[in-house]
Amino acid sequence: RKEVEQDPGPFNVPEGATVAFNCTYSNSASQSFFWYRQDCRKEPKLLMSVYSSGNEDGRFTAQLNRASQYISLLIRDSKLSDSATYLCVVNDIRTNAGKSTFGDGTTLTVKP
Amino acid sequence: DAGVTQSPTHLIKTRGQQVTLRCSPKSGHDTVSWYQQALGQGPQFIFQYYEEEERQRGNFPDRFSGHQFPNYSSELNVNALLLGDSALYLCASSSDGRYGYTFGSGTRLTVV
Repeated sequence: RKEVEQDPGPFNVPEGATVAFNCTYSNSASQSFFWYRQDCRKEPKLLMSVYSSGNEDGRFTAQLNRASQYISLLIRDSKLSDSATYLCVVNDIRTNAGKSTFGDGTTLTVKP
Repeated sequence: DAGVTQSPTHLIKTRGQQVTLRCSPKSGHDTVSWYQQALGQGPQFIFQYYEEEERQRGNFPDRFSGHQFPNYSSELNVNALLLGDSALYLCASSSDGRYGYTFGSGTRLTVV
């Protein structure tokens, strides 16, 4: 079993749709959580951190459930420009910076 | 403010050869991590450097080695290249991993 598992996708949605991605992690020592976005043949870019209280950034909402070791990302009012692969990332921080474990990503295609 | 810069962008090597990839972290960042990303997969953690020492290492053989210099820049060396080493190699830097990492655009290595 992989340390970080994501919905395999792909997700194909129309513009304006709401879409949710899920991610589970197995290492209970994990302390920091992130969603990254990766466009085709480009580097991953930090989308948002994920906090236990949940956090929102415009159309994007991230949630963390430590008890279930589960992370989610909700995208409302999808835009064509949201088409990308979304990577769930878990940090095992035992010092100031730590090892980041990535999921294999979920591909989203937003269609007109 | 320059972000993370990697060189070269593309590289073709023959099986059995050795390769060195280079990374300059974002200004103000002191920690450098290296990742290998195969097609269709998430980045896999190779190792992390902080204060010129390897702080953490992923499940990669000793053929993969690295170095960090006093100016925080870093090199990734791979010896005895195998066809399976063909991938996108990503460098990521941070000052505090709790806030995520900034990635370079990567070096695409092809082993023939």
